[in-house]
Amino acid sequence: KAGVTQTPRYLIKTRGQQVTLSCSPISGHRSVSWYQQTPGQGLQFLFEYFSETQRNKGNFPGRFSGRQFSNSRSEMNVSTLELGDSALYLCASSLSAEGYTEAFFGQGTRLTVV
Amino acid sequence: SQELEQSPQSLIVQEGKNLTINCTSSKTLYGLYWYKQKYGEGLIFLMMLQKGGEEKSHEKITAKLDEKKQQSSLHITASQPSHAGIYLCGGRSSGSARQLTFGSGTQLTVLP
Repeated sequence: KAGVTQTPRYLIKTRGQQVTLSCSPISGHRSVSWYQQTPGQGLQFLFEYFSETQRNKGNFPGRFSGRQFSNSRSEMNVSTLELGDSALYLCASSLSAEGYTEAFFGQGTRLTVV
Repeated sequence: SQELEQSPQSLIVQEGKNLTINCTSSKTLYGLYWYKQKYGEGLIFLMMLQKGGEEKSHEKITAKLDEKKQQSSLHITASQPSHAGIYLCGGRSSGSARQLTFGSGTQLTVLP
């Protein structure tokens, strides 16, 4: 069974540009969550999608958005990139969005904003 | 909002030694997760605990959740260099916002 796949693995963007990251969950999983990880802030929750609907949203500005498709694949978009957006972006895949389901992570996308 | 505190922040042990990492929540948890991460990589799922008093083991790693479901410990027996990495605890609290949030992590170094 294939794991969680995130593309691309590495990305370098210029300040002011926008970027789209992709996450393909484990087959059969319908919940996808996104996280930002930085040395200073640790692992911060961005948002969670289940069956194409956003269920939860973290404390990030509106420049961060996401969506989920009917095949459960998810994308997150960051517009007007800032230097502080440089981070490892991780997505997690779960069977459902309820409390007692295991969550599996992808390898992450390392975004560098210059 | 729920906060998870991990201790210690970093740990250096000699190969073969036992060690314990702790995770404390300010709220009752509905699902406590332990992950391991190599620097710059994704999180590797270790185990999930959900019932008060529950204990699970995988190879030389044992995790426990206390009866009140607010504290968990991760214990590694006879540590090996392959155990080195960052250990993160994550938890889901009650309420409509059941997102998985994480502690700040414990950096484990195992000296050969």
